Amino acid sequence: KNQVEQSPQSLIILEGKNCTLQCNYTVSPFSNLRWYKQDTGRGPVSLTIMTFSENTKSNGRYTATLDADTKQSSLHITASQLSDSASYICVVSAGNTGFQKLVFGTGTRLLVSP
Amino acid sequence: DAGVTQSPTHLIKTRGQQVTLRCSPKSGHDTVSWYQQALGQGPQFIFQYYEEEERQRGNFPDRFSGHQFPNYSSELNVNALLLGDSALYLCASTPRGVSYEQYFGPGTRLTVT
Repeated sequence: KNQVEQSPQSLIILEGKNCTLQCNYTVSPFSNLRWYKQDTGRGPVSLTIMTFSENTKSNGRYTATLDADTKQSSLHITASQLSDSASYICVVSAGNTGFQKLVFGTGTRLLVSP
Repeated sequence: DAGVTQSPTHLIKTRGQQVTLRCSPKSGHDTVSWYQQALGQGPQFIFQYYEEEERQRGNFPDRFSGHQFPNYSSELNVNALLLGDSALYLCASTPRGVSYEQYFGPGTRLTVT
């Protein structure tokens, strides 16, 4: 069964601190893995996308890693800001060509406090 | 270039009623996918439209139906609304020829009372 699990479920950190969110997946055939940021009541916004051959990708203060052997990914946020408060969703795409099924994790809810 | 747009932003309906949600994809995008996101949950795939036809469907009853128009915009229809249909409905569009990318709209918040 295709599944994406994220941890922790929620997290509170102080402004300026770093944090790391985890994603484990069992999805086949693996196509790519993305991290999305979703503000409350809004649509998800893509942060990074990685294919099988990529093991790290950065987008400003966000750095994602992928270990395709252990089927794990992490999202590291550096020097957190209040605006980083949101849900972070790990999404794994299954499929080779044509239609690709997206398997969503339930997200990590991050709160950055002043 | 406008992103993916959805209308309305919010909607309140009564049980048993019918609702239509609308989505306009980004320019250059030809595939539209619909998702239902309950509070505190990840999005659940409803269906995907390509070339005006439903290409794939998730585990949703026939009360959920859709349509794609020649200009690639799409509608999601839900009949006989249930309280459990209350959710954020997300539309995502995919660029022509790039099957792995999806850009999400802001969503429509549907409340069924």
